[in-house]
Amino acid sequence: QVQLVQSGAEVKKPGASVKVSCKASGYRFTSYSISWVRQAPGQGLEWMGWISGYTGETIYAQRLVGRVTMTTDTSTGTAYMELRSLRSNDTAVYYCAREGGTYPNFDSWGQGTLVTVSS
Amino acid sequence: DIQMTQSPSSLSASVGDRVTITCRASQSIGSYLTWYQQKPGKAPKLLIFATSTLQTGVPSRFSGSGSGTDFTLTISSLQPEDFATYYCQQSYSTLNTFGQGTKVDIK
Repeated sequence: QVQLVQSGAEVKKPGASVKVSCKASGYRFTSYSISWVRQAPGQGLEWMGWISGYTGETIYAQRLVGRVTMTTDTSTGTAYMELRSLRSNDTAVYYCAREGGTYPNFDSWGQGTLVTVSS
Repeated sequence: DIQMTQSPSSLSASVGDRVTITCRASQSIGSYLTWYQQKPGKAPKLLIFATSTLQTGVPSRFSGSGSGTDFTLTISSLQPEDFATYYCQQSYSTLNTFGQGTKVDIK
């Protein structure tokens, strides 16, 4: 079955960077894209960006351009999301999700990675 | 960016009630509308895509409708496991956006 397994929780200081991984299994990695979504404590879902599993092409949410980089390693079926210059309001649970279909949707999600930014 | 506005933000309902949640897009998104359910401490779960197509395994009491800018998620008879937060999402634009969520809790 399709599984997305994310790396563990992180605690970072303001100004630092964090890199979260998302290892996919149960499907052909290059046939789907991966999106990243975050959720601040008690808040809603925020789409962060998208990376093609086939070409590596990326699209980022405007508010994160310049601070976020999404990459993939097709040899291991792993996607990565790096966020730089962390601020306290970047504290959130970060999810990866498999995206596909004619009407794109996120049909499988990772378990989430809590990133806490605190001095 | 396309803005997605859900209403209500929260609602209280009883088991067996019919529940309707609406989602409005700031511009036409065709049928590129998806609904997710999220329970506390869990990742969201795909319910409905392409406005009205039920994801495999989702109970038939869930249904979706609409087109253009106005969309609806309906739960025909609320069950105890349906108490959760529901989000709409548009994928018409490559810059996806979510609604702010609707929390359904027990009356």
